[in-house]
Amino acid sequence: QAGLTQPPSVSKDLRQTATLTCTGDSSNVGNEGAAWLQQRQGHPPKLLSCRNNSRPSEISERFSASRSGNTASLTITGLQPEDEADYYCATWDSSLSSWVFGGGTKLTVL
Amino acid sequence: QVQVVQSGAEVTSPGASVKVSCKASGYTFTASLMHWVRQAPGQGLEWVGRINADSGGTIYAQRFQGRVTMTRDTSINTAYMELHRLTSDDTAVYYCARGSGEIDYWGQGTLVIVSS
Repeated sequence: QAGLTQPPSVSKDLRQTATLTCTGDSSNVGNEGAAWLQQRQGHPPKLLSCRNNSRPSEISERFSASRSGNTASLTITGLQPEDEADYYCATWDSSLSSWVFGGGTKLTVL
Repeated sequence: QVQVVQSGAEVTSPGASVKVSCKASGYTFTASLMHWVRQAPGQGLEWVGRINADSGGTIYAQRFQGRVTMTRDTSINTAYMELHRLTSDDTAVYYCARGSGEIDYWGQGTLVIVSS
């Protein structure tokens, strides 16, 4: 089953900026955008950003999303220890008639 | 506040079925979808399907079609997912999550272990 492509891991220093990517195609990211989810160890996923790049009200401004063509990006500024987590992108795929997820990126804050 | 609370862990045998429940509160249950997503140990997220809490209409991921049944009881704001003909590959945490445009509020997860 086709999914979205994310790098398996990213490491950045405390207080630096991390940019995570998610690549799909015209039937998913290119058409719908991508939502971003954060999953800390032992917890359920949490919505960080919607497919239109807007943030739920409770999410910090340090998290921002964007899209260019078939690639979506999540930028996290001023990295904090609590940002260490797995990050997933997700969207609707019109050719599969299914939601699809990326494989996830493990963010390590050094 | 929006809450989605799932039933407890299940241990079951190969070939059996499991039914997980998901009780919603803090919003109008019939105004949203309910998605089901699973996560095998150490793995990523996999969409199983969704149910329209108003109409009861379902869409299942292709790989689960014929093996999954999603239902809901609007009188108690609860959605259900039943997975049949279980194998060890179905061992995973199963999440329900509200769908209101996005998949936004997630339940705490239900661990399903399939073991002989």
